[in-house]
Amino acid sequence: NAGVMQNPRHLVRRRGQEARLRCSPMKGHSHVYWYRQLPEEGLKFMVYLQKENIIDESGMPKERFSAEFPKEGPSILRIQQVVRGDSAAYFCASSHKPDNGYTFGSGTRLTVV
Amino acid sequence: QKEVEQNSGPLSVPEGAIASLNCTYSDRGSQSFFWYRQYSGKSPELIMFIYSNGDKEDGRFTAQLNKASQYVSLLIRDSQPSDSATYLCAVNMEYGNKLVFGAGTILRVKS
Repeated sequence: NAGVMQNPRHLVRRRGQEARLRCSPMKGHSHVYWYRQLPEEGLKFMVYLQKENIIDESGMPKERFSAEFPKEGPSILRIQQVVRGDSAAYFCASSHKPDNGYTFGSGTRLTVV
Repeated sequence: QKEVEQNSGPLSVPEGAIASLNCTYSDRGSQSFFWYRQYSGKSPELIMFIYSNGDKEDGRFTAQLNKASQYVSLLIRDSQPSDSATYLCAVNMEYGNKLVFGAGTILRVKS
């Protein structure tokens, strides 16, 4: 079991470009969560998805950010027209049930230059 | 009031001592509580979970929960330098199916 797989590990984008972050949950896990972590800060919830459904997107910025978890393939967090303030570590986590603890991926470190 | 609050630290303890990490939460209906360890530059790792009032022990770790006081703690016995990390408290709030994390407490174990 490879655990939660995220890629890329590091991503550099120029201001105004698009960033696509991918996450494959652990085998048997159907609940996927995205969190953002700024330097020296805690994890901030962004979105909770199940296959083909967004369950809770209360932590997603209203503009430029979107997420999906299609029937086939990984979950994608998409950031359009990136700005310097989007630079952060983005972690994906998965769980078997929503009230279980989550298993985190290694994260994607996004740097906007 | 923050949903999950932790003292940011750093908490410094000598090797072999007991480290005590504390967390309070705002949602009285919360049912499940988790402690994660995060080394610098790494992803969070689940080390303990607790659902019922009282103590739960796993090796050198003990989680304590008091729902009436809305307080959860983590004790680390015989602290080792390798325990030096940021410890994140996470609470599954009653009103939403997601974990809400505290900002974390930095623990430093001095040899």
